[in-house]
This record gives sequence, C-alpha cells and structure tokens, in this order.
Amino acid sequence: QSVLTQPPSASGAPGQGVTISCSGSSSNIGSNYVYWYQQLPGMAPKLLIYRNNQRPSGIPDRFSGSKSGTSASLAINGLRPEDEADYYCAAWDDSLSGSVVFGGGTKLTVL
Amino acid sequence: EVQLVESGGGLVQPGGSLKLSCAASGFTFSGSAMHWVRRASGKGLEWVGRIRTKPNNYATVYAASVTGRFTISRDDSKNMAYLQIDSLKAEDSAIYYCTRPGLHNAFDVWGQGTTVTVSS
Repeated sequence: QSVLTQPPSASGAPGQGVTISCSGSSSNIGSNYVYWYQQLPGMAPKLLIYRNNQRPSGIPDRFSGSKSGTSASLAINGLRPEDEADYYCAAWDDSLSGSVVFGGGTKLTVL
Repeated sequence: EVQLVESGGGLVQPGGSLKLSCAASGFTFSGSAMHWVRRASGKGLEWVGRIRTKPNNYATVYAASVTGRFTISRDDSKNMAYLQIDSLKAEDSAIYYCTRPGLHNAFDVWGQGTTVTVSS
C-alpha cells in the first residue's frame, strides 16, 4: 500500500485531456513539494514536474501540475500515443527525515 | 553528460545477499546525496533509502520495509554508490534504480536499473 494514493488507471483518446490525482497527508504533500515522474515501458523513470508545477527543460507544456492542501494533480492535454506510460507522484516526507514517498502509479492508456 | 549506471543484479536464492553498484559521472558526485528506488513486477515505484554526503556524515535512512537488511554506502574517490542487500526475500525481486536529488530536490537523473530476482 503506497503512502500517496493515485487511481490505478486513466485513459483518453488522442487529442483529449486527462487528469491524474494524487492524495497524501500533512507530512508529505501538505508540507512539501510534489513531483511527477513518467515511466515508459521498459525505461527508467523520467522527471516530468518538479516543485508542484514546474517543468524541466524539454517537457512540453501539455503537461502541467498543481497542488492544493494535501492533494495534487497532473494534467495532460492533447494526448499523444507516446504519452502511454505509468505516472507517479512523489513527495518528501517529514515523518522520516530524508525519505521520499511515491504514489502507487497510474497507468495511462491512450485509446 | 550526467549519467548513472547500475550493475550487480542477478538471480539469488532466498536468504542470500547481493551488492548493487551505481557508477556516477558528469557531476560532482561527492556533493550529492544518492538514493535507491525499486520497482517490483506489477507494482509501483518504492523508495528504498538514501545516503548523504561527507559533510553530513554519510547519514543513511531506509524505508521501513528494508531497514535492517539493506545498507547503502558510497566511495566518493570512485564516484560509486552501493546497495548491500542481505537476507533476501522473494518480495525483494525488483528492478533497482539509483538516482540523485538534483535541481530543486527532484530526482532528475536515473540509471537504467539492475534486476534482482530472488528465487530458489
């Protein structure tokens, strides 16, 4: 059972948008930044969003993040077939100094 | 180019031990904490633990699920991080990744992973 809660699956047609939620607690999301990672099949995870809503260089603006209280969300607009992947939220957790907690992951299917 | 390369995975019997390695290049390794994250088949990412830098006494912290069995170490002279796994269980079977907290404390660089399979 993961500390952060995500829906196990999400789907959308090409061109459409989808939102993935992530729920935590006061010791993680409530008091720290949220990060999002994308893991394509057979690949290592890749940083998608940092500090709740910031995109690293090279990440298209179709991807956006937000946070409110102890919850966060990742929105993907203009879905493309190559977006089909597993998406994870993460946050540092104050209950164990220096630790990180992940969500269980959401498998995105582009129909 | 900033790079992390894991090695040392393999097939091990339950109760056995394994030492994973992570070779770093392209950044000031001695100035960076290093973390290990794993992903078991059919499951999500799980944070395993981290080691801090020399000024921070190489402090380590581990997930509750691995405390007492896993040990993270580093050799700054070789730009290497290690994960010693003892008393291996079937549920330790996973791909193990090393990663670093880079800009804004995000895990911005990941290795390709090394696979550990625990089976008799």
